[in-house]
Amino acid sequence: NAGVTQTPKFQVLKTGQSMTLQCAQDMNHNSMYWYRQDPGMGLRLIYYSASEGTTDKGEVPNGYNVSRLNKREFSLRLESAAPSQTSVYFCASSEVGDSNQPQHFGDGTRLSIL
Amino acid sequence: GNSVTQMEGPVTLSEEAFLTINCTYTATGYPSLFWYVQYPGEGLQLLLKATKADDKGSNKGFEATYRKETTSFHLEKGSVQVSDSAVYFCALRRKDTGRRALTFGSGTRLQVQP
Repeated sequence: NAGVTQTPKFQVLKTGQSMTLQCAQDMNHNSMYWYRQDPGMGLRLIYYSASEGTTDKGEVPNGYNVSRLNKREFSLRLESAAPSQTSVYFCASSEVGDSNQPQHFGDGTRLSIL
Repeated sequence: GNSVTQMEGPVTLSEEAFLTINCTYTATGYPSLFWYVQYPGEGLQLLLKATKADDKGSNKGFEATYRKETTSFHLEKGSVQVSDSAVYFCALRRKDTGRRALTFGSGTRLQVQP
């Protein structure tokens, strides 16, 4: 029962490099989300996808792009990494249309930008 | 806008002590409220939820009651264990929009000593 799977688990980049964080869920959920977690700030929404083929900006979208490749997969791309993007990134999924349903989270990607 | 405020940690308790972690919120309308727990090196897991005023969510000995009059959702447990050591996040989700992303508090670290 995999749930939400994120790859990689750890990554170190140099400023200016690009990379894509991968996320896949096997729960047939329509909605998927990318959050970043920084000390003392909880989780903040970067982008979300309410359903396949749609994406929308969250609180902190600058410097990121996303792709909802299909119903299962939702990737996050850093085109030109900056030290301010050092963070732990979490992907989540949930059913659409029911605000009472919980979101299911992956184990996170720990990203350091030097 | 929406916001969640949690008491700052860390909270350090001895085993079998009583736990309270305070959470208050600001939101338009009446959101659904959640407590998530994050164990070291892992993603967030849903601990409990409440979807309307006066609802009580409970799980694994933890409880929280949705208090509309005080806009609060405090987490309590009568007797904590070492295994409860983790970071606890209070979160809300609005019901009146199609966007189902969560708004999180900053998290409260709980350390339980034997």
